[in-house]
Amino acid sequence: DIQMTQSPSSLSASVGDRVTITCRASQDIRNDLGWYQQKPGKAPKRLIYGAASLQSGVPSRFSGSGSGTEFTLTISSLQPEDFATYFCLQFNNYPFTFGPGTKVDVK
Amino acid sequence: QVQLVQSGAEVKKPGSSVKVSCKASGGTFSSYAISWVRQAPGQGFEWMGRIIVNLGLASYAQKFQGRVTINADKSTTTAYMELSSLRSEDTAIYYCASGHMDVWGEGTTVSVSS
Repeated sequence: DIQMTQSPSSLSASVGDRVTITCRASQDIRNDLGWYQQKPGKAPKRLIYGAASLQSGVPSRFSGSGSGTEFTLTISSLQPEDFATYFCLQFNNYPFTFGPGTKVDVK
Repeated sequence: QVQLVQSGAEVKKPGSSVKVSCKASGGTFSSYAISWVRQAPGQGFEWMGRIIVNLGLASYAQKFQGRVTINADKSTTTAYMELSSLRSEDTAIYYCASGHMDVWGEGTTVSVSS
């Protein structure tokens, strides 16, 4: 199975901060990666697909980059509604596997 | 845009089975793939399996092999996940998701307790 690691596991930030989250795959997954946001009690929402493509309707302050084994999600200017947990998912190979998540909370 | 609506919460006894449904609308169901994942309380996500609806071909995570069955009914545009031999560790929120996990259902809470 492809192992996904994610860092940091949590971070504290302020509105307006630039936030960067990293995901690493245990083997090459090309660009078969998505980034998701989950708020308490809600289903996850996809932000980025194909490692770098912005999901329709998602604000442009979210961006993704990377390919192969290292990927990054960046929030250029954190907004109040962005405090949530973020995780990555690889769909290059079965079983699909998830990063453990990064919780972004208020500094 | 596809939408997925799941069946309601379930409370089950250890050793029993649960069947969760996921009704799709807003797209061409036969062209979908539907995955099932779960999230135990305070834990991360586990992918359980996926069905390619047009082919009726299901693939399962090794962890759940033999205990999970995923199928789909094209006539009702509904996918199903059945998990048998339930134990307390199966208490979780179960989600369906389409394609490469682009759209998710709202989740179904399954509680297993004696």
